[in-house]
Amino acid sequence: DGGITQSPKYLFRKEGQNVTLSCEQNLNHDAMYWYRQDPGQGLRLIYYSQIVNDFQKGDIAEGYSVSREKKESFPLTVTSAQKNPTAFYLCAAGRGGETQYFGPGTRLLVL
Amino acid sequence: DAKTTQPPSMDCAEGRAANLPCNHSTISGNEYVYWYRQIHSQGPQYIIHGLKNNETNEMASLIITEDRKSSTLILPHATLRDTAVYYCIVRFILTGGGNKLTFGTGTQLKVEL
Repeated sequence: DGGITQSPKYLFRKEGQNVTLSCEQNLNHDAMYWYRQDPGQGLRLIYYSQIVNDFQKGDIAEGYSVSREKKESFPLTVTSAQKNPTAFYLCAAGRGGETQYFGPGTRLLVL
Repeated sequence: DAKTTQPPSMDCAEGRAANLPCNHSTISGNEYVYWYRQIHSQGPQYIIHGLKNNETNEMASLIITEDRKSSTLILPHATLRDTAVYYCIVRFILTGGGNKLTFGTGTQLKVEL
């Protein structure tokens, strides 16, 4: 973390609702990433963006959407199509192919 | 993506060196080895990375074998605050220049008095 902020820390979603997780960075890094972590598991890549107005699907993109309108911002929307959204969501930023630095995470819970 | 194998857990006495092993036998010649750690309910923290030479920084040392099929992360004087899950990752370069980190389940290091 340090330069990457995620909000909120906890988020509750009702059935059928879309929710958006915020990720902001002041590191001036081109690349940003979203990962999902389930209990006792490692991280899995959802989406990534290497430049503004461009993004690609990761390994588990179904049920999620992203946008990259500004270099410093990469919001993730968890749509109603994601049937098992309860997880810890982590955003990261990095300079091209170099080291990724992570934010503190958002824990999403379904009511 | 090259996969890594780590022991699920290790214990270490405070003040002693913690040596965390990792196997990555399918690593390609231009793939880096990265180490991160994650304290419960926080984002992963970058520790160190290397390609083929041994590396050292203020947090740890990384020893990579000559054939690059395995590596060891060394925390020279472990403290209670080093208790965390440690991930060994082979970085995969994505088309267009970004990179992908594939996290396994890591090693839970427990530092005890």
